[in-house]
Amino acid sequence: EAQVTQNPRYLITVTGKKLTVTCSQNMNHEYMSWYRQDPGLGLRQIYYSMNVEVTDKGDVPEGYKVSRKEKRNFPLILESPSPNQTSLYFCASSFWGYYGYTFGSGTRLTVV
Amino acid sequence: AQTVTQSQPEMSVQEAETVTLSCTYDTSESNYYLFWYKQPPSRQMILVIRQEAYKQQNATENRFSVNFQKAAKSFSLKISDSQLGDTAMYFCAYNAGNNRKLIWGLGTSLAVNP
Repeated sequence: EAQVTQNPRYLITVTGKKLTVTCSQNMNHEYMSWYRQDPGLGLRQIYYSMNVEVTDKGDVPEGYKVSRKEKRNFPLILESPSPNQTSLYFCASSFWGYYGYTFGSGTRLTVV
Repeated sequence: AQTVTQSQPEMSVQEAETVTLSCTYDTSESNYYLFWYKQPPSRQMILVIRQEAYKQQNATENRFSVNFQKAAKSFSLKISDSQLGDTAMYFCAYNAGNNRKLIWGLGTSLAVNP
């Protein structure tokens, strides 16, 4: 089944404790992206990647890191999480951005 | 700057009836793509329908269709024969022809009542 697998689905952590949210797609998509969704603010792009070793900042990259060492994987790293990073996070991929993205199931992150 | 506006924060419809969700956008691009996504309570983001700006014909996917008015920069979603499973947040999104991200509206919460 073609899908984007995102883990974990739920995560509660403490301020400053490094964490990684994994994202993997099995569709050989070139484009991958991370979004965060917050009430009243909609979805905002954090980082995106056009291919292996090619990443770029989105609208809200501060406090996040990404890497794209393999085409299928695009992990999101929070090196020192803070409470303002409490949010619902989505990973998405696309063969080409014009065709719309396939989304993972989301990660509900709470930083206390 | 490119923006997407959904003017209806909440809507409701009776089961089996038709409902139209509004979306307007602002862009100076001539070639772009528009999307409607559905987010049910499970929070999964599901692509409902897409429209290419250079195609005049409105896109249709089963009970879902769009009314794309390029000059007016309007992209509304019509849901026919509404079903309880259509209850969800609906997001309109824009992707420029040379851009790498989706620009999102804030969503319309649709409730389908039995």
